[in-house]
Amino acid sequence: ETGVTQTPRHLVMGMTNKKSLKCEQHLGHNAMYWYKQSAKKPLELMFVYNFKEQTENNSVPSRFSPECPNSSHLFLHLHTLQPEDSALYLCASSQVVIGSGTGELFFGEGSRLTVL
Amino acid sequence: AQSVTQPDIHITVSEGASLELRCNYSYGATPYLFWYVQSPGQGLQLLLKYFSGDTLVQGIKGFEAEFKRSQSSFNLRKPSVHWSDAAEYFCAVGGNTDKLIFGTGTRLQVFP
Repeated sequence: ETGVTQTPRHLVMGMTNKKSLKCEQHLGHNAMYWYKQSAKKPLELMFVYNFKEQTENNSVPSRFSPECPNSSHLFLHLHTLQPEDSALYLCASSQVVIGSGTGELFFGEGSRLTVL
Repeated sequence: AQSVTQPDIHITVSEGASLELRCNYSYGATPYLFWYVQSPGQGLQLLLKYFSGDTLVQGIKGFEAEFKRSQSSFNLRKPSVHWSDAAEYFCAVGGNTDKLIFGTGTRLQVFP
């Protein structure tokens, strides 16, 4: 098994659909992240979960709803999305050491989302 | 404000030529610095990182980077580029918090 696994790899949905992205990490890390990658823009940090608690919500619209049931799994629930939400959504994990920061991020291969 | 600037959006080099990708950062505390590489359709893979100590850092695939505090830079270098190095390269800065800030990336194209 690879370190960080994301499913599905590709998703096409209409604006009225509800879907979810799944991320699983097999590295024993204590923090998980959702990033959005759009063309010609920096990676945008969306959410951070540290020890299963959400520690960052970077002004993300409520049509994106994260869920972290345990330290190995992270979901991104999607509903009533807009075409501009089409992007590559990357999940990452890391071992956060208090006072020493996030350390290295390990990324999944991403979920390519297209909103019609 | 914390930020990372990669001034070169796109760089083209010939195979076998040397490479330097620029990265400048703004960070209020001691920075942790990273270079990641992303091949098409893939996630990001760590090339190297700097936390402390020797300012010249060696990474995977023959890459190295040098931390220059006086210039707020962390440039990535490789003495001889291979065609398989064609990808997008991201510089990132972090510190004693739980998030990294990424630059906009530099796309590297390699000609045979």
